Amino acid sequence: AQSVAQPEDQVNVAEGNPLTVKCTYSVSGNPYLFWYVQYPNRGLQFLLKYITGDNLVKGSYGFEAEFNKSQTSFHLKKPSALVSDSALYFCAVRGGGSSASKIIFGSGTRLSIRP
Amino acid sequence: EAGVAQSPRYKIIEKRQSVAFWCNPISGHATLYWYQQILGQGPKLLIQFQNNGVVDDSQLPKDRFSAERLKGVDSTLKIQPAKLEDSAVYLCASSSSGTGLLAGYTFGSGTRLTVV
Repeated sequence: AQSVAQPEDQVNVAEGNPLTVKCTYSVSGNPYLFWYVQYPNRGLQFLLKYITGDNLVKGSYGFEAEFNKSQTSFHLKKPSALVSDSALYFCAVRGGGSSASKIIFGSGTRLSIRP
Repeated sequence: EAGVAQSPRYKIIEKRQSVAFWCNPISGHATLYWYQQILGQGPKLLIQFQNNGVVDDSQLPKDRFSAERLKGVDSTLKIQPAKLEDSAVYLCASSSSGTGLLAGYTFGSGTRLTVV
Protein backbone atom coordinates (compact mmCIF):
# COMPACT_ATOMS: atom_id res chain seq x y z
CA ALA A 1 0.00 0.00 0.00
CA GLN A 2 1.23 3.47 -0.72
CA SER A 3 1.70 6.04 2.02
CA VAL A 4 3.26 9.40 2.64
CA ALA A 5 4.55 10.89 5.88
CA GLN A 6 5.19 14.45 6.91
CA PRO A 7 7.03 14.18 10.23
CA GLU A 8 6.63 17.81 11.27
CA ASP A 9 3.26 19.28 12.17
CA GLN A 10 4.71 22.79 12.11
CA VAL A 11 7.81 24.50 10.80
CA ASN A 12 8.79 27.99 11.96
CA VAL A 13 11.26 30.07 9.96
CA ALA A 14 12.36 33.69 9.99
CA GLU A 15 11.72 35.69 6.84
CA GLY A 16 14.70 35.60 4.50
CA ASN A 17 16.01 32.30 5.87
CA PRO A 18 15.92 29.05 3.89
CA LEU A 19 13.09 26.65 4.62
CA THR A 20 12.65 22.89 4.34
CA VAL A 21 9.43 20.93 4.72
CA LYS A 22 10.05 17.20 4.97
CA CYS A 23 8.25 14.35 3.24
CA THR A 24 8.92 10.63 2.97
CA TYR A 25 6.93 8.11 0.99
CA SER A 26 6.31 4.43 0.44
CA VAL A 27 4.99 3.17 -2.87
CA SER A 28 5.26 0.23 -5.20
CA GLY A 29 6.88 0.96 -8.50
CA ASN A 30 8.09 4.36 -9.57
CA PRO A 31 6.64 7.19 -7.50
CA TYR A 32 4.93 10.26 -8.79
CA LEU A 33 5.34 12.93 -6.12
CA PHE A 34 3.54 16.21 -5.60
CA TRP A 35 3.46 19.21 -3.30
CA TYR A 36 0.30 21.22 -2.72
CA VAL A 37 -0.27 24.38 -0.67
CA GLN A 38 -3.47 25.38 1.10
CA TYR A 39 -4.17 28.92 2.24
CA PRO A 40 -6.95 29.60 4.78
CA ASN A 41 -10.43 28.99 3.37
CA ARG A 42 -8.99 28.08 0.00
CA GLY A 43 -8.71 24.86 -1.95
CA LEU A 44 -5.47 23.02 -2.56
CA GLN A 45 -3.11 24.59 -5.05
CA PHE A 46 -0.57 22.58 -7.03
CA LEU A 47 3.05 23.64 -6.39
CA LEU A 48 5.26 21.15 -8.16
CA LYS A 49 5.69 17.52 -9.14
CA TYR A 50 8.33 14.88 -9.74
CA ILE A 51 7.62 12.33 -12.46
CA THR A 52 11.02 11.39 -13.84
CA GLY A 53 14.32 12.99 -14.78
CA ASP A 54 16.24 15.58 -12.78
CA ASN A 55 15.97 14.96 -9.06
CA LEU A 56 15.62 18.68 -8.35
CA VAL A 57 12.31 20.05 -9.54
CA LYS A 58 11.27 23.68 -9.52
CA GLY A 59 7.75 24.88 -8.98
CA SER A 60 5.60 27.89 -8.28
CA TYR A 61 6.48 30.82 -6.01
CA GLY A 62 10.21 29.97 -5.93
CA PHE A 63 9.74 26.57 -4.32
CA GLU A 64 11.74 23.51 -5.29
CA ALA A 65 11.87 19.92 -4.14
CA GLU A 66 14.53 17.26 -4.20
CA PHE A 67 13.69 13.65 -4.97
CA ASN A 68 15.95 11.18 -3.16
CA LYS A 69 15.22 7.60 -4.17
CA SER A 70 17.54 5.93 -1.64
CA GLN A 71 15.98 7.83 1.25
CA THR A 72 12.47 7.73 -0.26
CA SER A 73 12.15 11.44 0.40
CA PHE A 74 10.81 14.46 -1.43
CA HIS A 75 11.56 17.49 0.74
CA LEU A 76 10.20 20.91 -0.21
CA LYS A 77 12.66 23.80 -0.10
CA LYS A 78 12.95 27.51 -0.69
CA PRO A 79 16.18 29.52 -0.43
CA SER A 80 14.59 32.61 1.13
CA ALA A 81 11.25 32.48 2.93
CA LEU A 82 8.56 35.13 2.66
CA VAL A 83 5.86 35.90 5.21
CA SER A 84 3.33 35.19 2.43
CA ASP A 85 4.61 31.59 2.28
CA SER A 86 2.83 30.93 5.58
CA ALA A 87 0.28 28.23 4.80
CA LEU A 88 -0.44 24.51 5.09
CA TYR A 89 1.67 22.29 2.83
CA PHE A 90 0.78 18.79 1.72
CA CYS A 91 3.02 16.19 0.17
CA ALA A 92 1.28 13.61 -2.00
CA VAL A 93 2.23 10.45 -3.85
CA ARG A 94 0.80 8.39 -6.67
CA GLY A 95 2.16 4.92 -7.22
CA GLY A 96 2.07 2.41 -10.01
CA GLY A 97 -0.13 -0.58 -10.63
CA SER A 98 -3.83 -0.58 -9.97
CA SER A 99 -3.64 2.52 -7.79
CA ALA A 100 -1.84 4.53 -10.44
CA SER A 101 -4.49 7.20 -10.68
CA LYS A 102 -5.06 7.72 -6.97
CA ILE A 103 -3.14 10.40 -5.10
CA ILE A 104 -2.54 9.86 -1.38
CA PHE A 105 -1.90 12.92 0.79
CA GLY A 106 0.21 13.37 3.87
CA SER A 107 -1.17 14.90 7.04
CA GLY A 108 0.21 18.33 6.24
CA THR A 109 2.82 20.69 7.68
CA ARG A 110 1.94 24.17 8.81
CA LEU A 111 4.64 26.61 7.71
CA SER A 112 4.88 29.81 9.70
CA ILE A 113 7.21 32.57 8.54
CA ARG A 114 7.88 35.31 11.08
CA PRO A 115 8.84 38.82 9.94
CA GLU B 1 -9.95 27.77 -18.28
CA ALA B 2 -12.58 27.83 -15.58
CA GLY B 3 -11.67 25.97 -12.42
CA VAL B 4 -13.50 23.27 -10.51
CA ALA B 5 -16.75 24.70 -9.16
CA GLN B 6 -18.23 23.55 -5.87
CA SER B 7 -21.33 24.58 -3.97
CA PRO B 8 -22.32 25.47 -1.39
CA ARG B 9 -19.21 26.96 0.23
CA TYR B 10 -20.52 26.42 3.74
CA LYS B 11 -23.25 24.27 5.27
CA ILE B 12 -24.38 23.82 8.85
CA ILE B 13 -26.79 21.00 9.67
CA GLU B 14 -27.95 19.08 12.68
CA LYS B 15 -26.93 15.47 13.17
CA ARG B 16 -29.18 12.96 11.49
CA GLN B 17 -30.11 15.46 8.78
CA SER B 18 -29.12 14.95 5.16
CA VAL B 19 -26.95 17.16 2.99
CA ALA B 20 -25.75 17.25 -0.61
CA PHE B 21 -22.74 18.84 -2.24
CA TRP B 22 -22.30 19.64 -5.90
CA CYS B 23 -19.19 19.71 -8.07
CA ASN B 24 -18.64 20.75 -11.67
CA PRO B 25 -15.17 19.75 -12.90
CA ILE B 26 -13.03 21.42 -15.52
CA SER B 27 -14.56 20.94 -18.95
CA GLY B 28 -13.28 17.80 -20.60
CA HIS B 29 -11.81 16.26 -17.45
CA ALA B 30 -12.82 12.63 -17.41
CA THR B 31 -11.74 11.86 -13.85
CA LEU B 32 -13.44 13.34 -10.81
CA TYR B 33 -12.54 12.83 -7.16
CA TRP B 34 -14.22 13.60 -3.86
CA TYR B 35 -11.94 14.05 -0.86
CA GLN B 36 -12.80 14.57 2.80
CA GLN B 37 -10.46 16.81 4.79
CA ILE B 38 -11.01 16.78 8.53
CA LEU B 39 -9.47 19.69 10.41
CA GLY B 40 -5.78 19.08 11.03
CA GLN B 41 -5.56 16.15 8.63
CA GLY B 42 -4.67 15.61 5.01
CA PRO B 43 -7.38 15.01 2.41
CA LYS B 44 -8.71 11.46 2.27
CA LEU B 45 -10.09 10.06 -0.98
CA LEU B 46 -13.76 9.09 -0.73
CA ILE B 47 -14.59 8.19 -4.30
CA GLN B 48 -13.12 8.40 -7.78
CA PHE B 49 -15.12 8.52 -11.00
CA GLN B 50 -13.88 7.88 -14.52
CA ASN B 51 -16.54 9.45 -16.73
CA ASN B 52 -19.78 8.17 -15.15
CA GLY B 53 -18.29 4.99 -13.65
CA VAL B 54 -16.90 4.45 -10.17
CA VAL B 55 -13.22 3.49 -10.14
CA ASP B 56 -12.54 3.49 -6.40
CA ASP B 57 -14.97 3.90 -3.52
CA SER B 58 -13.12 1.75 -1.00
CA GLN B 59 -13.04 4.49 1.65
CA LEU B 60 -16.58 5.75 1.17
CA PRO B 61 -18.82 4.99 4.20
CA LYS B 62 -21.53 3.49 2.06
CA ASP B 63 -24.04 3.18 4.85
CA ARG B 64 -24.44 6.96 4.87
CA PHE B 65 -22.50 8.43 1.95
CA SER B 66 -23.45 8.21 -1.72
CA ALA B 67 -22.18 9.88 -4.86
CA GLU B 68 -23.18 9.97 -8.47
CA ARG B 69 -21.96 11.36 -11.76
CA LEU B 70 -24.81 10.36 -14.00
CA LYS B 71 -23.80 12.10 -17.22
CA GLY B 72 -20.06 11.96 -16.67
CA VAL B 73 -19.81 15.69 -16.04
CA ASP B 74 -20.94 17.17 -12.72
CA SER B 75 -21.25 15.15 -9.56
CA THR B 76 -23.21 15.13 -6.31
CA LEU B 77 -22.04 13.78 -2.96
CA LYS B 78 -24.73 13.07 -0.37
CA ILE B 79 -24.63 12.28 3.33
CA GLN B 80 -27.71 10.75 4.96
CA PRO B 81 -27.91 10.79 7.93
CA ALA B 82 -25.04 13.03 8.99
CA LYS B 83 -22.97 12.41 12.12
CA LEU B 84 -20.90 14.82 14.14
CA GLU B 85 -17.69 13.24 12.82
CA ASP B 86 -18.68 14.15 9.27
CA SER B 87 -17.75 17.75 9.99
CA ALA B 88 -15.02 18.46 7.46
CA VAL B 89 -14.20 20.20 4.22
CA TYR B 90 -15.32 18.22 1.18
CA LEU B 91 -13.03 18.80 -1.76
CA CYS B 92 -13.73 17.98 -5.36
CA ALA B 93 -10.91 17.57 -7.85
CA SER B 94 -10.64 16.67 -11.50
CA SER B 95 -7.96 15.58 -13.92
CA SER B 96 -7.79 14.72 -17.57
CA SER B 97 -6.94 11.30 -18.89
CA GLY B 98 -3.63 10.22 -20.34
CA THR B 99 -0.74 12.52 -19.56
CA GLY B 100 -3.09 14.59 -17.45
CA LEU B 101 -2.85 11.91 -14.84
CA LEU B 102 0.73 12.95 -14.24
CA ALA B 103 -0.03 16.60 -13.75
CA GLY B 104 -1.77 16.36 -10.43
CA TYR B 105 -5.30 17.44 -9.83
CA THR B 106 -7.14 20.73 -9.96
CA PHE B 107 -9.10 21.23 -6.77
CA GLY B 108 -12.22 23.22 -6.09
CA SER B 109 -12.44 25.55 -3.08
CA GLY B 110 -14.36 22.97 -1.12
CA THR B 111 -17.53 22.85 0.96
CA ARG B 112 -17.11 23.27 4.69
CA LEU B 113 -19.66 21.12 6.51
CA THR B 114 -20.40 21.60 10.19
CA VAL B 115 -22.64 19.05 11.88
CA VAL B 116 -24.04 20.18 15.23
